[in-house]
Amino acid sequence: QKEVEQDPGPLSVPEGAIVSLNCTYSNSAFQYFMWYRQYSRKGPELLMYTYSSGNKEDGRFTAQVDKSSKYISLFIRDSQPSDSATYLCAMSTGTGRRALTFGSGTRLQVQP
Amino acid sequence: NAGVTQTPKFRILKIGQSMTLQCTQDMNHNYMYWYRQDPGMGLKLIYYSVGAGITDKGEVPNGYNVSRSTTEDFPLRLELAAPSQTSVYFCASTDRGNSPLHFGNGTRLTVT
Repeated sequence: QKEVEQDPGPLSVPEGAIVSLNCTYSNSAFQYFMWYRQYSRKGPELLMYTYSSGNKEDGRFTAQVDKSSKYISLFIRDSQPSDSATYLCAMSTGTGRRALTFGSGTRLQVQP
Repeated sequence: NAGVTQTPKFRILKIGQSMTLQCTQDMNHNYMYWYRQDPGMGLKLIYYSVGAGITDKGEVPNGYNVSRSTTEDFPLRLELAAPSQTSVYFCASTDRGNSPLHFGNGTRLTVT
């Protein structure tokens, strides 16, 4: 069983739709949760960063963390063709080597 | 501000050859990481460093070596390249252990 599970997609939605991306994890020690966006042939870039449980909103993006269910989500409102990318969830315990553990990524395609 | 710079962008190696993937950051970050990304598999940690002169293994270190003689540079060495090392390699850095990682744009390596 992978430590972080993420549906690989692809997920195809029409422009303007609300998109929901999700990850589940098994390590209850994870405290820091991130979403990265990765365009084709580019490095991942940070989209959202949250600590512990709760919600965080930034423009059209909302990140949710439910530690009791070991479940995190990213919502994209009014999706745009420029949102077409692979979305990677990542998490860290915040101790030791403090490296991130990544999900496998969900490929999103927003159709104009 | 260049951020994290990786060279080369692409490389084709024959089985048994060796090469060094270069990574430089200009943000004075202490923490640096090497990940590899295979299709549908997310990013796997190869090696990491918490400061100049200090390196340690990640999840998939076999076949690789690293050194960290300066804060800025963290090269990854492949000895005796094998087809299983065909992948996209990403270098990342951060200033504090729980801060999000900044990624380079990757090196695409093919071993044939």
